[in-house]
Amino acid sequence: GENVEQHPSTLSVQEGDSAVIKCTYSDSASNYFPWYKQELGKRPQLIIDIRSNVGEKKDQRIAVTLNKTAKHFSLHITETQPEDSAVYFCAASKEAGGFKTIFGAGTRLFVKA
Amino acid sequence: DGGITQSPKYLFRKEGQNVTLSCEQNLNHDAMYWYRQDPGQGLRLIYYSQIVNDFQKGDIAEGYSVSREKKESFPLTVTSAQKNPTAFYLCASSTKNRGRIFGYTFGSGTRLTVV
Repeated sequence: GENVEQHPSTLSVQEGDSAVIKCTYSDSASNYFPWYKQELGKRPQLIIDIRSNVGEKKDQRIAVTLNKTAKHFSLHITETQPEDSAVYFCAASKEAGGFKTIFGAGTRLFVKA
Repeated sequence: DGGITQSPKYLFRKEGQNVTLSCEQNLNHDAMYWYRQDPGQGLRLIYYSQIVNDFQKGDIAEGYSVSREKKESFPLTVTSAQKNPTAFYLCASSTKNRGRIFGYTFGSGTRLTVV
């Protein structure tokens, strides 16, 4: 069935370093890839997304890359800050398949001051 | 909460009771979803609805029921058949525009505890 694998499950970095989270999807028809950030005890919030007609998208310190051939997409956070500490979820959807989204299992990011 | 409201924030249920979690959105979104999140875990889909009066089972629908009588509302009932209901429940909504889908807007969640 449809699946999104996310790695690593836990990531610890020093403040100011970069963090990279990687996801792989199984359904080659997927064409929309959002990323969500969930702080402790709070709701997930959309932080960035990318569509299959784009290879990279950047928003300040956050960037997402997509490799359709490898069915692989990644989140890059540069100059990490303690407030970046949270759980990050990747997801994959296909516009032709209605609204259903498949989520990765999440990555817990710790940014040490 | 960004146009999608869940209530209550905390809910306590006695064993054998049914309880209903409320989810209301004023975003005019077509689709609504219910997810369950256990401590330190990811999001598991319970039910989703793409249109009024229609809904589909997700991966863990057993012991839960939903209705979608209005576009704005998608309540979730946790029945006594759900043997391990203690969890954090998240409602979400999403929409399409000219065939393009957009990310989810989540509610602030309901934390359900069986006592």
